[in-house]
Amino acid sequence: DVVMTQTPLSLSVTPGQPASISCKSSQSLLHSDGKTYLYWYLQKPGQSPQLLIYELSNRFSGVPDRFSGSGSGTDFTLEISRVEAEDVGVYYCMQTIQLPFTFGPGTKVDIK
Amino acid sequence: EMQLVESGGGLVKPGGSLRLSCAASGFTFNNAWMSWVRQAPGKGLEWVGRIKSKTDGGTADYVAPVKGRFTISRDDSKNTLHLQMNSLKTEDTAVYYCTTDSGVRRDWFDTWGQGTLVTVSS
Repeated sequence: DVVMTQTPLSLSVTPGQPASISCKSSQSLLHSDGKTYLYWYLQKPGQSPQLLIYELSNRFSGVPDRFSGSGSGTDFTLEISRVEAEDVGVYYCMQTIQLPFTFGPGTKVDIK
Repeated sequence: EMQLVESGGGLVKPGGSLRLSCAASGFTFNNAWMSWVRQAPGKGLEWVGRIKSKTDGGTADYVAPVKGRFTISRDDSKNTLHLQMNSLKTEDTAVYYCTTDSGVRRDWFDTWGQGTLVTVSS
């Protein structure tokens, strides 16, 4: 199975400041079709997870442009350009290059 | 609006069985690939398995810890997804979410239910 790791596991951010979460996979998520099958989800407190970023860097419908995904191969980053209070929650990366789909352990983001 | 509503969770003893359901609305269910994702209390997300649409073969895939014990099925006439869980273990205790699998490869989860809690305890 592809193992996903995330750092840090928790992050406290001042509103208006940037935040960055790293995700690494145990094998490359670059497919022969040229796409990278890395996803980011956010689970806000008391809610179901929601899709933020698909295929490495594409924002899902309705996701603010302060969220961006980047990376290549086995190293990925989710960046929030200016954190807002509504961004608190746990962020998970996930791979779908092969079954079983696997998630990272999650990064808890809260506001200072 | 796409909506998923899970039901069927509850308390069950180790070794017991439980059947979860996920009622879908707001989209063409029979074309959808669907997954189950679970979350143990205070823990992260784990993909449990998925089922393809009948037109794409209707087969299911599972994560290793549940293979042979869990079965995903679908009733397209009732727009309902099921998860039959047998030989339950304490480590199966979790909130179980159903999701729609979207994208060209049907590998991103764009709609989630509210989840249903399964507790396996004696």
